[in-house]
Amino acid sequence: RKEVEQDPGPFNVPEGATVAFNCTYSNSASQSFFWYRQDCRKEPKLLMSVYSSGNEDGRFTAQLNRASQYISLLIRDSKLSDSATYLCAVNVNDYKLSFGAGTTVTVRA
Amino acid sequence: NAGVTQTPKFQVLKTGQSMTLQCAQDMNHNSMYWYRQDPGMGLRLIYYSASEGTTDKGEVPNGYNVSRLNKREFSLRLESAAPSQTSVYFCASSEAIGTGVYGYTFGSGTRLTVV
Repeated sequence: RKEVEQDPGPFNVPEGATVAFNCTYSNSASQSFFWYRQDCRKEPKLLMSVYSSGNEDGRFTAQLNRASQYISLLIRDSKLSDSATYLCAVNVNDYKLSFGAGTTVTVRA
Repeated sequence: NAGVTQTPKFQVLKTGQSMTLQCAQDMNHNSMYWYRQDPGMGLRLIYYSASEGTTDKGEVPNGYNVSRLNKREFSLRLESAAPSQTSVYFCASSEAIGTGVYGYTFGSGTRLTVV
């Protein structure tokens, strides 16, 4: 089983829609969780950390479910500019993150 | 702030040639990493350096060597390039991963083609 798994998508949604997707992880001892955004042919950029209580950053909401070992990302009121690949990352130890292969989101006009 | 700077941005090598990818960060981070990214495979860790003076293998270290030259710089060397090493290479740095607050900061990548 891979350490981190994501539904690759693509999720093709109209502007203004809500889209949500999950990322499962295998190491129950993991403590740090992140969502990254990667645009085509660019480097991944940190979108948000995921905290135990869940957290929001504008139109983005991240949740952690420790019992089922997954994190989720919800995007409300999707914009064309939200089109990207979203990578989840989970810590392996104090130094290393393991990344999912990414979920592709395409927002259409 | 420059963040993480990688050079070169693009490179074409012939099979068997060697080269060094350079990475430098100006954020005073302790930890640095080299990843490769291939279509459908996600980011795979090649080597990392938890702190200055230490280096460790990641998932896919074969065919690569690294040097943590000082706290700022972490280089990746391909001694004898092979077509299977055609990929996009990302350097990253981090501080305090375990806190769950700070993730990695990535460089802009090196697109390497081995022919």
